[in-house]
Amino acid sequence: DQQVKQNSPSLSVQEGRISILNCDYTNSMFDYFLWYKKYPAEGPTFLISISSIKDKNEDGRFTVFLNKSAKHLSLHIVPSQPGDSAVYFCAASAGNDMRFGAGTRLTVKP
Amino acid sequence: DAGVIQSPRHEVTEMGQEVTLRCKPISGHNSLFWYRQTMMRGLELLIYFNNNVPIDDSGMPEDRFSAKMPNASFSTLKIQPSEPRDSAVYFCASSFEATGGTLTEAFFGQGTRLTVV
Repeated sequence: DQQVKQNSPSLSVQEGRISILNCDYTNSMFDYFLWYKKYPAEGPTFLISISSIKDKNEDGRFTVFLNKSAKHLSLHIVPSQPGDSAVYFCAASAGNDMRFGAGTRLTVKP
Repeated sequence: DAGVIQSPRHEVTEMGQEVTLRCKPISGHNSLFWYRQTMMRGLELLIYFNNNVPIDDSGMPEDRFSAKMPNASFSTLKIQPSEPRDSAVYFCASSFEATGGTLTEAFFGQGTRLTVV
């Protein structure tokens, strides 16, 4: 039962352009959403989050948008840099339960 | 703090053998999670503990999998007997969660890459 879905397994963008990673969820009880970044041979690291009471949260080059009615969130990275190349996991939590999507591999080309 | 510590980093074992993965959460954290990463399903939640008590183990794939948390600073995930399809990277994560609150950020260990041949 995939409660959090990332339908794009990979994304390739040019350096300097915007990267948009998408995530959908099915459980309306989720009230907190997170994005994690994972480099090879390392554990996922927290990137940015958003509470369900907001629809946007910005941190430097990273912005997360939440559309609760559509049960959809997205991560925007602008401008994209080669060092952003990694696998990005979307996560959603309700109480003590956190679920992850399958991940999207982002490649930023110089 | 050294972060979440998992051991071993790599494990290669023969089918049918018992495998034990270990995790030391961040001191002070009261929630601990075991995840399995596969190509098809990404990060799957296997089980999570709150205050050393298993809260939800519905993600544990089969009876061959078991997890324990005997105290706040240690947890194990055991597979017996192991099978080739168990090959994956297993992550442990911990967080602090106030009573009745929502989980916010979890900190991950570096993972254990398990290969069952």
